[in-house]
This record gives sequence, C-alpha cells and structure tokens, in this order.
Amino acid sequence: GDSVVQTEGQVLPSEGDSLIVNCSYETTQYPSLFWYVQYPGEGPQLHLKAMKANDKGRNKGFEAMYRKETTSFHLEKDSVQESDSAVYFCALRRFYGGSQGNLIFGKGTKLSVKP
Amino acid sequence: DAEITQSPRHKITETGRQVTLACHQTWNHNNMFWYRQDLGHGLRLIHYSYGVQDTNKGEVSDGYSVSRSNTEDLPLTLESAASSQTSVYFCASRAGGTDTQYFGPGTRLTVL
Repeated sequence: GDSVVQTEGQVLPSEGDSLIVNCSYETTQYPSLFWYVQYPGEGPQLHLKAMKANDKGRNKGFEAMYRKETTSFHLEKDSVQESDSAVYFCALRRFYGGSQGNLIFGKGTKLSVKP
Repeated sequence: DAEITQSPRHKITETGRQVTLACHQTWNHNNMFWYRQDLGHGLRLIHYSYGVQDTNKGEVSDGYSVSRSNTEDLPLTLESAASSQTSVYFCASRAGGTDTQYFGPGTRLTVL
C-alpha cells in the first residue's frame, strides 16, 4: 500500500541553521506531494505542495523538490527562525482515475528552533 | 469568512459512554474527513465522506461511526468509549477536484 516515511521525532536546530527534513514515499501510482504544518493548539494547514516530478513547492523560505527518481520530497530551508517551530507532516495523494484519493500522512516531525 | 469548526474543544468522559463530536464547515465542500492524532502515529484516518449519504471507513474505524445527512456536517460518534480512544480528533474538508484540505481546530477527548 501507499506509505510516507519522514524524519522521526524532533529536530532541534538553532536559529539561523539550515534545515532538511527527509520525506520518502512509496506508491504504485503517480502522486501529488504535500507538506502540512501544525502550530501548537491548531489543526494542520497546507504549507506547500508539488503536483508532478521536478516541481518545487515554496512557502515562507521553505522549499521541497518532487524527485520521482528517488521517490523523495525533502523539506529544506537555508536559515530557520524560532517562528518556524511546529510539527511538519509530509503527505501524498494519488488519483484513481475519476476517484477522489485521500491523503496519506507521515508520522510528523517536530521542529523546535532554539533562539 | 468560511470556516470549519469543531465542538466541543475539550471533552472528558467515562468508559462505556456514547460520545458525539461535531464538525461543521461553511465552504460547501463535498469531501469531509475525521482523523485522530496520537504521539508516534501522526494523523490516522477514521472515516470519510465524499457527499451526502456517503460514508467510508478509514484505517482505524473500529469503535467509531459517522453519518452525513447534509453537506455542512459530519458528526463522529464513539458508540462505547474506551480508554484507547483518548486522543486529539481533527475534522477536515476539501472541495472536490482540488488539493487543499482544511482542518478544524481539533477536539481533545479524554476517556477515563
């Protein structure tokens, strides 16, 4: 079945550090890929997305490249800020011809940026 | 502004009681979803609906049920609450043919 595996647990960079949160996916179909972000006390919200291979999603200095050859969608940022602290979920959604397709989420990575 | 709301935001109940969590969206989205979030498990899909009178089981549906009598609401019922159902529950909706899923603020349920 479909699956998403991402960096587990917590990541603790200092403000100004670069960041990579790994995400790898497995599916038999051609998916769309997403990163959702969840701030404390809130529901997840869409952070960025990429619809096809070699697309790059971008938002608030974060980027993720859809790499079909390595089945990856790693989240990257050159210089993290304390306000980036949140839980990040990688997700995929595939299409079944005319069907809807549901999101498949990774287990989440907690980003805690030290001031 | 259109939105998605959940109620209650916090609930404490006892084992064996029936509990219903409400979800209401004003976007007129056809697709609605219920997830539970637990440490180490991420977001797991409980039930989903693609339209009025349509309901489907997700990966962790045992002990839960939903009904969809109108476009705006998808209540989640725990028929006989168990301690294993202590969790944070999120409702979400998405318009058909689009990619962005919108989540509610969550309900924290504690079963004693």
